[in-house]
Amino acid sequence: AQSVTQLDSQVPVFEEAPVELRCNYSSSVSVYLFWYVQYPNQGLQLLLKYLSGSTLVKGINGFEAEFNKSQTSFHLRKPSVHISDTAEYFCAALKAAGNKLTFGGGTRVLVKP
Amino acid sequence: DGGITQSPKYLFRKEGQNVTLSCEQNLNHDAMYWYRQDPGQGLRLIYYSQIVNDFQKGDIAEGYSVSREKKESFPLTVTSAQKNPTAFYLCASTQGDYNSPLHFGNGTRLTVT
Repeated sequence: AQSVTQLDSQVPVFEEAPVELRCNYSSSVSVYLFWYVQYPNQGLQLLLKYLSGSTLVKGINGFEAEFNKSQTSFHLRKPSVHISDTAEYFCAALKAAGNKLTFGGGTRVLVKP
Repeated sequence: DGGITQSPKYLFRKEGQNVTLSCEQNLNHDAMYWYRQDPGQGLRLIYYSQIVNDFQKGDIAEGYSVSREKKESFPLTVTSAQKNPTAFYLCASTQGDYNSPLHFGNGTRLTVT
């Protein structure tokens, strides 16, 4: 069975500092990988996705993620965070030819002034 | 503007009562999904439907039921058989292929006492 693990449940970070959110997946087949963001009391929005090609993926709001097949990881990074980046972030994986996303447990980012 | 509408935003019920959560989309998407969100557990798939009049159980379908009589609508009923129904419920839709991200509604927070 496919699983997605987000290693940090909470990440406090100061404004303008960099942040990295870790995500590892387990799958014996090719997967497509996604990062979603959820602001308080809202649904999720897509930040970025990896389908194929370049392993460095750039998304909205200055976020980027790197696919590392050998380490089965898809870590999310932003070089300088804003207060408005305070939210919960979810990593998700979809098996190639599959139709169900598997989500990680989420990482709550709290940006402090 | 196209999107997904979930109603109501907050819902309170007494234990032992069935309750139906509404989800409507005007994105002309084929596939629709119901997820349950609990703190620290990410999103877990309850039911999904890839076409009208057809739906499949997700990972935690027990105690829930759905229908898909119209393309735009995918209501979820939380029955009295669901042992722990208090949660945040998210509806999502997608065109159905892996290139298309999930579009989420803003969720319904159900509290059962």
